[in-house]
Amino acid sequence: IAGITQAPTSQILAAGRRMTLRCTQDMRHNAMYWYRQDLGLGLRLIHYSNTAGTTGKGEVPDGYSVSRANTDDFPLTLASAVPSQTSVYFCASSLVPRNEQFFGPGTRLTVL
Amino acid sequence: DQQVKQNSPSLSVQEGRISILNCDYTNSMFDYFLWYKKYPAEGPTFLISISSIKDKNEDGRFTVFLNKSAKHLSLHIVPSQPGDSAVYFCAASESGGSNYKLTFGKGTLLTVNP
Repeated sequence: IAGITQAPTSQILAAGRRMTLRCTQDMRHNAMYWYRQDLGLGLRLIHYSNTAGTTGKGEVPDGYSVSRANTDDFPLTLASAVPSQTSVYFCASSLVPRNEQFFGPGTRLTVL
Repeated sequence: DQQVKQNSPSLSVQEGRISILNCDYTNSMFDYFLWYKKYPAEGPTFLISISSIKDKNEDGRFTVFLNKSAKHLSLHIVPSQPGDSAVYFCAASESGGSNYKLTFGKGTLLTVNP
């Protein structure tokens, strides 16, 4: 693994189903983030974690949850998916106190 | 309330000319600014940054200018190349304390024509 990996690459999901998007980094970065990108809205922060064991809410956290059990992994869970969660999801990490964030390749999620 | 604004959704320039992408912010607590470049079907990649203690930062063909009094920054690309065609996102953060969250603008699609 080099950098940040995300899985799956894409997914089509029925509304009401539970889904976990996976994110793993091997750079030993302390901080990790989840963003969603929607046309005309740019990148919006969903949740973040400054260090293992802590998480915080971003700009659009409703309907999503995260956990940070260790440094490398930061999964994002949709407990009951809705069509408005159709988006491209990006995971990112940074070496606190640096601001530069490194992004994964993204997961394209479609909720029908 | 949008704290980071990129008012031009798109920009088209000729190869070899200068590209100027603009960004405005409203939060006076922002003290660190970044530009990211994004190709289709890829994640954003960090391009260049500037701290509020500077008014200019240069890296090869890319220069970022910061005007704190106007709460405005711009990215200059000289000379522009077709491979620069991408969406460019401006981002800002408050680098103090434990908060390193980035606030992004909506992006500007740059097209460099051969």
